Amino acid sequence: DGGITQSPKYLFRKEGQNVTLSCEQNLNHDAMYWYRQDPGQGLRLIYYSQIVNDFQKGDIAEGYSVSREKKESFPLTVTSAQKNPTAFYLCASSIRELVTDTQYFGPGTRLTVL
Amino acid sequence: LAKTTQPISMDSYEGQEVNITCSHNNIATNDYITWYQQFPSQGPRFIIQGYKTKVTNEVASLFIPADRKSSTLSLPRVSLSDTAVYYCLVGVYFRDAGNMLTFGGGTRLMVKP
Repeated sequence: DGGITQSPKYLFRKEGQNVTLSCEQNLNHDAMYWYRQDPGQGLRLIYYSQIVNDFQKGDIAEGYSVSREKKESFPLTVTSAQKNPTAFYLCASSIRELVTDTQYFGPGTRLTVL
Repeated sequence: LAKTTQPISMDSYEGQEVNITCSHNNIATNDYITWYQQFPSQGPRFIIQGYKTKVTNEVASLFIPADRKSSTLSLPRVSLSDTAVYYCLVGVYFRDAGNMLTFGGGTRLMVKP
């Protein structure tokens, strides 16, 4: 089955620790995205990548980092510099970076900082 | 990217038709209008997309007037399972940090029995 997978589903971390969220897709999509969603709010773009070895900052990139070494993988690292990292994180992909291309979302990772 | 405005929430009853309107006064010539649906603790999923006039698929209809400054998502005969958040997006593409696509607050639809 084609789709996007994210792991883990739930993640707990202590303050001051870096943590990496996994996102893998087998849809052969060039574009990938990371969003953050806080309770009762919409999605805010953290980073996006149009193609392998290239990525761009979104609205709220501070305290986060990404890499795109492979087409199918776009991991997100939440660093200790992110002041309020507890949130629901969603990864998405699309054929290209165009609005006319549907974004497909993974199941999400819920991160809680203890 | 054209800014969109949607009602924060709407209530309906099973079997009724629901219309959610999105305002996008600054829509550009090349912008498309896209609607997504999100259930709790899940990622959004695509519902429908259009450029002008009317588009219909098996799930919904999208009505866009000639000036394209607004659009209306129509859900026929809603059921309890249509309770979700509906996002209206307007834009063209990602190119740089100044032209991004984000999912705003959306409209929370509550369908009651």
